Amino acid sequence: AQSVTQLGSHVSVSEGALVLLRCNYSSSVPPYLFWYVQYPNQGLQLLLKYTTGATLVKGINGFEAEFKKSETSFHLTKPSAHMSDAAEYFCAVSASFQKLVFGTGTRLLVSP
Amino acid sequence: EPEVTQTPSHQVTQMGQEVILRCVPISNHLYFYWYRQILGQKVEFLVSFYNNEISEKSEIFDDQFSVERPDGSNFTLKIRSTKLEDSAMYFCASSLGKNSNQPQHFGDGTRLSIL
Repeated sequence: AQSVTQLGSHVSVSEGALVLLRCNYSSSVPPYLFWYVQYPNQGLQLLLKYTTGATLVKGINGFEAEFKKSETSFHLTKPSAHMSDAAEYFCAVSASFQKLVFGTGTRLLVSP
Repeated sequence: EPEVTQTPSHQVTQMGQEVILRCVPISNHLYFYWYRQILGQKVEFLVSFYNNEISEKSEIFDDQFSVERPDGSNFTLKIRSTKLEDSAMYFCASSLGKNSNQPQHFGDGTRLSIL
């Protein structure tokens, strides 16, 4: 069985500051890991994914995440936050690419 | 870029009534999914569908739920006798396949409110 824990339901940063959203996973098989973003009144948009190979993955909008097996983590980062990054971010794990198991989400607030 | 579209955006229904949520997946996609998000909670997997049959379902997807691909473009979720606790945002998703280069694409969701 797979599960995801996202630490912090809300994260506040200033514009230009580093963004760090935490995700830890549990999986009995090698996991596939995803970050999705949800803007208000919109669906889930894929930011990036880890499947195999390079453990540092780059996604859209300047985001990247690093898969650390020893820490069972897949934290999302962005060097410099923009106001447009304010949204809810979901980490997800899958064993099969069919069933995605989501975390509870982290709302990113960006202040000027 | 092709999108998954869902209608209606908001559905209000009396408890006990049947409701059908509609989705048009991306045209060349072969795998289809429904998820739901109860207000303030995580997004939960309901069901996946491939080749005109359910390939996986969660414990949430009980006998009151059914899915159908009635034609070549639509993918529907039917809730037979709605309960208050069915109030949630329902997301449809589709993917071309089920490997690492074929992620799930989500629609904007249908907010279902049961009165």
